[in-house]
Amino acid sequence: DQQVKQNSPSLSVQEGRISILNCDYTNSMFDYFLWYKKYPAEGPTFLISISSIKDKNEDGRFTVFLNKSAKHLSLHIVPSQPGDSAVYFCAAIKETSGSRLTFGEGTQLTVNP
Amino acid sequence: EPEVTQTPSHQVTQMGQEVILRCVPISNHLYFYWYRQILGQKVEFLVSFYNNEISEKSEIFDDQFSVERPDGSNFTLKIRSTKLEDSAMYFCASRNTGLAGETQYFGPGTRLLVL
Repeated sequence: DQQVKQNSPSLSVQEGRISILNCDYTNSMFDYFLWYKKYPAEGPTFLISISSIKDKNEDGRFTVFLNKSAKHLSLHIVPSQPGDSAVYFCAAIKETSGSRLTFGEGTQLTVNP
Repeated sequence: EPEVTQTPSHQVTQMGQEVILRCVPISNHLYFYWYRQILGQKVEFLVSFYNNEISEKSEIFDDQFSVERPDGSNFTLKIRSTKLEDSAMYFCASRNTGLAGETQYFGPGTRLLVL
């Protein structure tokens, strides 16, 4: 299932700088896109979402941008903090699909002090 | 803050044995899910459950799998005859409404190892 893809398995940034995590999708029928964060030995934790009819959603240090024509979304974290170090999953959902989440592979973010 | 809980945290079983993974969703939630993540792979949808019946299931969710909500609080995933390839982290999730944009809340997972 390649409908949601995160091409970067890892990203390393300095504390205080911007982290940009990317995600591509192929199915234009997705209605919402979500970002989850996952620490080891824990389940995914919801971070932020965006409707397919929007192009930006912001929540504190986290902003998600959606480019529908490119079928691309990105998560910006500014400023990055060491506690942000985790695996970040992009996920997508279609209203007609029974609400299943389709996940990307995940990107391991490491924020160095 | 309410959370989804799962038991056990780890389970080791022999191939061919039955296992039951347990989940307690958030109390006022109505929609329940199971996902799994095989080591090194994506988190994959298994099944969704609403109003005491399966809403949707993936191609992974074959006759070896079943789900049940035996009482008002628990939600279980049963694997009837485990295979080596069932070894994975299994996550339960729940959400309150059927709105597509509403987040699903995940439990901490059960790590299943089939020997």
